[in-house]
Amino acid sequence: LAKTTQPISMDSYEGQEVNITCSHNNIATNDYITWYQQFPSQGPRFIIQGYKTKVTNEVASLFIPADRKSSTLSLPRVSLSDTAVYYCLVGDHSNNAGNMLTFGGGTRLMVKP
Amino acid sequence: KAGVTQTPRYLIKTRGQQVTLSCSPISGHRSVSWYQQTPGQGLQFLFEYFSETQRNKGNFPGRFSGRQFSNSRSEMNVSTLELGDSALYLCASSLVGVAHTDTQYFGPGTRLTVL
Repeated sequence: LAKTTQPISMDSYEGQEVNITCSHNNIATNDYITWYQQFPSQGPRFIIQGYKTKVTNEVASLFIPADRKSSTLSLPRVSLSDTAVYYCLVGDHSNNAGNMLTFGGGTRLMVKP
Repeated sequence: KAGVTQTPRYLIKTRGQQVTLSCSPISGHRSVSWYQQTPGQGLQFLFEYFSETQRNKGNFPGRFSGRQFSNSRSEMNVSTLELGDSALYLCASSLVGVAHTDTQYFGPGTRLTVL
């Protein structure tokens, strides 16, 4: 399983754009990149997933360079409610990979007023 | 559509006891996975059930077990509780259980405290 490395914590202010970068140097060809958000005492929540280039949804954007050895989660105009832990996960997309998510340490984002 | 529900939400037990936690997945979801979250080890995969069969298992001792019923509801059991079993136990459900294809929906968790 590809190992991921993220910053332990980040601070931001309301209204700013936040970019969280995840390193996954040994990502495999079949691996996808998925990001989850977790608030205290709650289960993680799916944010976005991608394989290459750029993916955007109503919540965030995910930028993946051509070599796929890293990815950047971009949160536009954050608010206090975006304060949470953000996890970058890398794993096999194929049916025979089973249903095991491997979580790293995550990035604790603190949004200040 | 109702989300994943877990019962109980909080539980206090003493060392040596056993405990059973319950998870009701989203209607129509057939895969249920269990995770343990502690401050020291983070989120760790316990096991996954699909169509009443354990399909994947994490690196936990045999004291941790589970099962899934025909309606996809799942239970996990921890026997001979140890202090280190104190954790937030999370259940996640998905349609067919393909990790990075099939979005997993997590429940609020059961906070287990072992005294």
